[in-house]
Amino acid sequence: AQSVTQLGSHVSVSEGALVLLRCNYSSSVPPYLFWYVQYPNQGLQLLLKYTSAATLVKGINGFEAEFKKSETSFHLTKPSAHMSDAAEYFCAVTRSNFGNEKLTFGTGTRLTIIP
Amino acid sequence: KAGVTQTPRYLIKTRGQQVTLSCSPISGHRSVSWYQQTPGQGLQFLFEYFSETQRNKGNFPGRFSGRQFSNSRSEMNVSTLELGDSALYLCASSSDSGYTFGSGTRLTVV
Repeated sequence: AQSVTQLGSHVSVSEGALVLLRCNYSSSVPPYLFWYVQYPNQGLQLLLKYTSAATLVKGINGFEAEFKKSETSFHLTKPSAHMSDAAEYFCAVTRSNFGNEKLTFGTGTRLTIIP
Repeated sequence: KAGVTQTPRYLIKTRGQQVTLSCSPISGHRSVSWYQQTPGQGLQFLFEYFSETQRNKGNFPGRFSGRQFSNSRSEMNVSTLELGDSALYLCASSSDSGYTFGSGTRLTVV
């Protein structure tokens, strides 16, 4: 079975500060990992994904994540927070990138940006 | 390229009724999966369809069902609604480039 743990259900950072959202995964097979962002009353928007091509993955809106197998982590970072980054962020794991396996999500981290 | 379209966006139903939600995937995507999002349980997998066949099913009661049509559009049905079925229902369309989600249908059961 696969699982994802997101440490910190709420994270607050000042505008312009570093954003770090933590995700640890458990998987018996090489995982595919995703970060999604959700704004109020919206669906999930893909920020970035790890599909084994490169361990440092760059996504949209200045976000990036690094896959560390030894730490079973896939933390999301952004060098400088912007007010528009306030949203809920979900880390997800699956065994395949082809849609034939379910996504298993973490419980989410709500990011608040302090002006 | 049009995204994943879910209709309706909002729905209010009475306990005991049934409801049908619709999902139109991205053109060319043949896999459609459904997820339920609630504050208490988070995001949970309901089922996944590919070429009109259900390939995977999550741990939900039989009141939750779905189907997929030959044009890859999918519907999910919930019968005998309970208050606990109130949730955001998300549909994801998939290809070899990953999973794209729609905006969801917000179902409120009163």
